[in-house]
Amino acid sequence: QVQLVQSGAEMKKPGASVKVSCKTSGYTFTNYYIHWVRQAPGQGLEWVGWINSNRGNTTSAQKFQGRVTMTRDTSISTAYMELHSLKSDDTAVYYCARDHLGSAEYWGQGTLLIVSS
Amino acid sequence: EIVLTQSPATLSVSPGERATLSCRASQSVGRHLAWYQQKPGQTPRLLIYGVSTRATGVPARFSASGSGTEFTLNISGLQSEDFAVYYCQQYNNWPTWTFGQGTKVEIK
Repeated sequence: QVQLVQSGAEMKKPGASVKVSCKTSGYTFTNYYIHWVRQAPGQGLEWVGWINSNRGNTTSAQKFQGRVTMTRDTSISTAYMELHSLKSDDTAVYYCARDHLGSAEYWGQGTLLIVSS
Repeated sequence: EIVLTQSPATLSVSPGERATLSCRASQSVGRHLAWYQQKPGQTPRLLIYGVSTRATGVPARFSASGSGTEFTLNISGLQSEDFAVYYCQQYNNWPTWTFGQGTKVEIK
């Protein structure tokens, strides 16, 4: 069955960087794109960006451009999202999700990031 | 950027009744719209894609319609497990996504 398993919770100080992983299984990794979505406490869903799992090209939301790096390792079917220059309002649950005809059919379990001094 | 506005913010409905949720786009998204359900502490679940196609395993009491800038999600015969937050999402300018702010369906 399709699974997306994310790395564990992180606590970082402002200005630091964090790298979240999303290990996939149950399907051919390079056949589906991966999106990253975040959700601040008590708030709605916010799209962070997308990676073409096959070619490795990426697109991010304008507010994250220059601050987010998305990569993948096809040998281990894993996608990564690295967020730099962390601020307190980056505190959120970060999800990876597999693209399905433009929507998100499968989601990772989420990774809680707390940014605090 | 396409902005999605959902209404109402909160909808109070009695079990067994029908809920109607709205999603309005700031510009046309064609038929590139999806709906998700999220319960507290859980990941979002895809309900509908392509405006009206139910995702695998989604009960028939969930239906959706619309095109262009106006979209609706209907839940008929609300059951206890349907009380949740619902988000619309557009992918007309894929791969860029945007989400609505959500509608909370609560027990009346």
